[in-house]
Amino acid sequence: SYELTQPPSVSVSPGQTARITCSADALPKQYAYWYQQKPGQAPVLVIYKDSERPSGIPERFSGSSSGTTVTLTISGVQAEDEADYYCQSADSSGTWVFGGGTKLTVL
Amino acid sequence: EVQLVQSGAEVKKPGESLKISCKGSGYSFTSYWIGWVRQMPGKGLEWMGIIYPGDSDTRYSPSFQGQVTISADKSISTAYLQWSSLKASDTAMYYCARHADTCDAFDIWGQGTMVTVSS
Repeated sequence: SYELTQPPSVSVSPGQTARITCSADALPKQYAYWYQQKPGQAPVLVIYKDSERPSGIPERFSGSSSGTTVTLTISGVQAEDEADYYCQSADSSGTWVFGGGTKLTVL
Repeated sequence: EVQLVQSGAEVKKPGESLKISCKGSGYSFTSYWIGWVRQMPGKGLEWMGIIYPGDSDTRYSPSFQGQVTISADKSISTAYLQWSSLKASDTAMYYCARHADTCDAFDIWGQGTMVTVSS
């Protein structure tokens, strides 16, 4: 089955840049999507189609892709960005999968 | 306002059946796929399956195929997730979410339904 691999945790100080990676185990890579989930809340879409930002999402959130790895970058991290982040993609059969999630800690 | 409102928390015993709901409003319910996502306590998100209420086309993750049934009643703009025989391992928060073609992602999420299965 198709799998997406994320680091379990990333820690950064306020104002620094956080990078969260998501690696796919199969080619060709489909587009990736990123969701932010804060404790006790439903997820929120922060990046779609590798690098597009939905309206209302701060410009400090960006996405990029290289080969079978996608990266969510948060520039100038703020305390409010502390959350779990999940990547999502589709496999060739039209079903979707989430990565295991990355806990972002703002020190 | 576009929203998905899910049914309330449930406490069930192993072996019991259950059907939880997700009601859409503020948009054309039949024009968007609705997906279901499981989150077990302290764990990550798991994509379960998705349905197109317009024609009831349904797709399941291999991990959930045969374990749950996804359905929809377009006349009342409501999608459902059901179990015929619950297990303790079904204890989790279940989210429904709208899949938008514009971003090809889940752009609107329900508030979640907590299902607890315990003897």
